[in-house]
Amino acid sequence: EVHLVESGGGLVQPGGSLRLSCAASGFTLSSYWMHWVRQAPGKGLVWVSRINGDGSSISYADSVKGRFTISRDNAKNTLYLQMNSLRAEDTAVYYCATEDHWAPEHWGQGTLVTVSS
Amino acid sequence: DVVMTQSPLSLPVTLGQPASISCRSSQSPVYSDGNTYLSWFQQRPGQSPRRLIYKVSNRDSGVPDRFSGSGSGTDFTLKISRVEAEDVGVYYCMQGTHWPWTFGQGTKVEIK
Repeated sequence: EVHLVESGGGLVQPGGSLRLSCAASGFTLSSYWMHWVRQAPGKGLVWVSRINGDGSSISYADSVKGRFTISRDNAKNTLYLQMNSLRAEDTAVYYCATEDHWAPEHWGQGTLVTVSS
Repeated sequence: DVVMTQSPLSLPVTLGQPASISCRSSQSPVYSDGNTYLSWFQQRPGQSPRRLIYKVSNRDSGVPDRFSGSGSGTDFTLKISRVEAEDVGVYYCMQGTHWPWTFGQGTKVEIK
């Protein structure tokens, strides 16, 4: 059974940094494109970033480009999102997800990032 | 970016009755391979999203057959044939054809 567990969220001041992790189990991580999707409190879903199986192809939403970095360690079955220069508008629950049929298929439970002074 | 517009945004329904959610895309989500990468997601209160439908009309494993997806071009529909209490939540459509992926605003389904 596919299982994704995000961690690393928390309270951070504007301009600060956080690194999110997504631990994967039940499948071979290297075989899948992986994504981060976020959801601000009470709001809808917004795609953030994606990475292919071997990490050679990466994309970002314009809103995070230059500030966030997605990466993966297939040997550790873990996906990461390094978030720098955080802003109040980055406050959200961050989900990692596998991709299938060009859409998120399996989702983690999410980790909350709060950017506030 | 492709704009996905859902209607209605709020849908009060009676248990056992049908429900229908519309999703309109500002650009056709038909890809050059002939596939239409339009998906539907359910998010129950306090839970992560769950994919229900991919490529317009294909149900994911474990999704009850009371859920169905249809549509073509730029207009798509999610139908629930008979609403059950566990169907309460917010439903989102999403296009995966054009980058970046974009989601609709969400439709909140509640029981009358």
